Amino acid sequence: QTVVTQEPSFSVSPGGTVTLTCGLSSGSVSTGHYPSWYQQTPGQAPRALIHNTYTRSSGVPDRFSGSILGNKAALTITGAQADDECTYYCALYLGRGFSVFGGGTRVTVL
Amino acid sequence: QVQLQESGPGLVKPSETLSLTCTVSGGSMSDYYWTWIRQPPGKELEWMGYIYYSGSTNSNPSLKSRVTMSVDTSKNQFSLRLTSVSAADTAKYYCARSGESNLFDYWGQGILVTVSS
Repeated sequence: QTVVTQEPSFSVSPGGTVTLTCGLSSGSVSTGHYPSWYQQTPGQAPRALIHNTYTRSSGVPDRFSGSILGNKAALTITGAQADDECTYYCALYLGRGFSVFGGGTRVTVL
Repeated sequence: QVQLQESGPGLVKPSETLSLTCTVSGGSMSDYYWTWIRQPPGKELEWMGYIYYSGSTNSNPSLKSRVTMSVDTSKNQFSLRLTSVSAADTAKYYCARSGESNLFDYWGQGILVTVSS
């Protein structure tokens, strides 16, 4: 069974930059996996940030950016703010209509 | 603005069937994949499957034999049935809209379903 891997947690200073990654237990992530990223605060539904690797969803600040770094998808937050403290999930399309979410990365801003 | 709202019982007994409905407002169901995603308390998101507006479905292999999905575009609703539930199925269940590019762009607020006798 294919597992989507994310760092469990990250800490970033206010105004700092952090890059979260999204990998596969077997193989490399490519644009063909259509990586998407979601932000979830406690008790709330996830909010779409990035889709199709690079595209920001409507209303998402440009301090959030998506990319492919090496063999993983990546979400970079540039100029982190206190409001960015929450959990971030990636999702990959594995083909045949099947999507999988990663385990999530909890980001702390301090 | 598209809005989704889950409805159904918040408590289901073990071995019984969980049934949820998602009502879509503010947009057409056409050309989209209508998806169910769940999240056990304190855990990660799990993609359960989708039903296309035309009625074709696909579901997570780990759930495939227990999941049934249906759609009623005349009512702007789609539904989930999960049979033979156990405590492991206790989760917040979200419905979401998905189009191309693996994007889940609109989500319901979620409904917590507890499996307990």
